Amino acid sequence: GENVEQHPSTLSVQEGDSAVIKCTYSDSASNYFPWYKQELGKGPQLIIDIRSNVGEKKDQRIAVTLNKTAKHFSLHITETQPEDSAVYFCAASNRAAGNKLTFGGGTRVLVKP
Amino acid sequence: KAGVTQTPRYLIKTRGQQVTLSCSPISGHRSVSWYQQTPGQGLQFLFEYFSETQRNKGNFPGRFSGRQFSNSRSEMNVSTLELGDSALYLCASSLTGGNTGELFFGEGSRLTVL
Repeated sequence: GENVEQHPSTLSVQEGDSAVIKCTYSDSASNYFPWYKQELGKGPQLIIDIRSNVGEKKDQRIAVTLNKTAKHFSLHITETQPEDSAVYFCAASNRAAGNKLTFGGGTRVLVKP
Repeated sequence: KAGVTQTPRYLIKTRGQQVTLSCSPISGHRSVSWYQQTPGQGLQFLFEYFSETQRNKGNFPGRFSGRQFSNSRSEMNVSTLELGDSALYLCASSLTGGNTGELFFGEGSRLTVL
């Protein structure tokens, strides 16, 4: 089955700096790669996603890149703000698996003011 | 528009008991998925239901079961509870059954097994 690895497990950045989280996946059939943000006491919330027919996607301060050949994808957050502090999860799925997501282990991001 | 609602939010059980968790999806959503979140294993897929049919199942023992009703509400049941079942159980709903739409997560039901 699919295996998703995520690095780093913790990330501390100064407010205004950029943060980068990287994930690798194992199943070449995976075609959907969402990123979720989970704040304390809440469920994960989708912040951006990318499909395998696209190499990069941006939404304001957040961007995701996908390298299908190398089977890795990354989340980039620019101009970080204290409210970006949370746990971020990458995930992967393929069409045959329906809404089954395989998640990475998570990255705890701390943005220091 | 109301989000995904999970009840109860917190519960404490003892080993050997059983528990039933409930999930009300976003109105109009027909897919409901369940995930277990623990510090050690992270987020793991339990099962997905679409139009009252189980479409997919994760690698969990048969003690974990679920069902979906005609109004798309879903329940999951864990029988013969073990200490390792202590976790946050998350429900997610989606408009479609394929991986073409966003999953919306509820805030979870935190189960503690003593």
